[in-house]
Amino acid sequence: DTEVTQTPKHLVMGMTNKKSLKCEQHMGHRAMYWYKQKAKKPPELMFVYSYEKLSINESVPSRFSPECPNSSLLNLHLHALQPEDSALYLCASSQDLREGDQPQHFGDGTRLSIL
Amino acid sequence: AQKVTQAQTEISVVEKEDVTLDCVYETRDTTYYLFWYKQPPSGELVFLIRRNSFDEQNEISGRYSWNFQKSTSSFNFTITASQVVDSAVYFCALSEAGNTGFQKLVFGTGTRLLVSP
Repeated sequence: DTEVTQTPKHLVMGMTNKKSLKCEQHMGHRAMYWYKQKAKKPPELMFVYSYEKLSINESVPSRFSPECPNSSLLNLHLHALQPEDSALYLCASSQDLREGDQPQHFGDGTRLSIL
Repeated sequence: AQKVTQAQTEISVVEKEDVTLDCVYETRDTTYYLFWYKQPPSGELVFLIRRNSFDEQNEISGRYSWNFQKSTSSFNFTITASQVVDSAVYFCALSEAGNTGFQKLVFGTGTRLLVSP
């Protein structure tokens, strides 16, 4: 079983809907990540939080809005998405963003479909 | 800029065959870290191994083994006596600090392994 939990596992939404993806970890990790993965492609980094502060935003459109309410939780708020945003969204965590030898632990992902 | 190349897009083998997945990387840093992840159809990326740039020792874990060669910038992964459960996409990844002080993980394009009974 994965130690990073993501909900929901599947989400279908219209382009005008507002929804949120949730991620939770209880490993005491201080870095948390959002990735987007299209079919047959590697994961692409979207956002990184370090000690609950946004550290990296990879030029992601504003229709994606991340939030880190506390050290265990990471949300991704979605609004006015486009069909090309349909993808697998993966959450990950690692011990500390500055320690490159620490592996990232991934959740099962949320499969998002935009109608 | 850092880059990870996995030239094999898809490999098909029959159960019990040995298979090697290739990974070649590029980096200007002297300190860096290499990883292998497995992604089964369920979607989760499963961490398999980490290797730092100062440790060229090969590693074996059960049926899995890894060959790290700095001279050729390669970090290859071999599965011995493959099983159907090994069917997945395997990603090689490189982590380096660059000039931001923060570690970012750069993935290769992945190799899809199909093991048939």
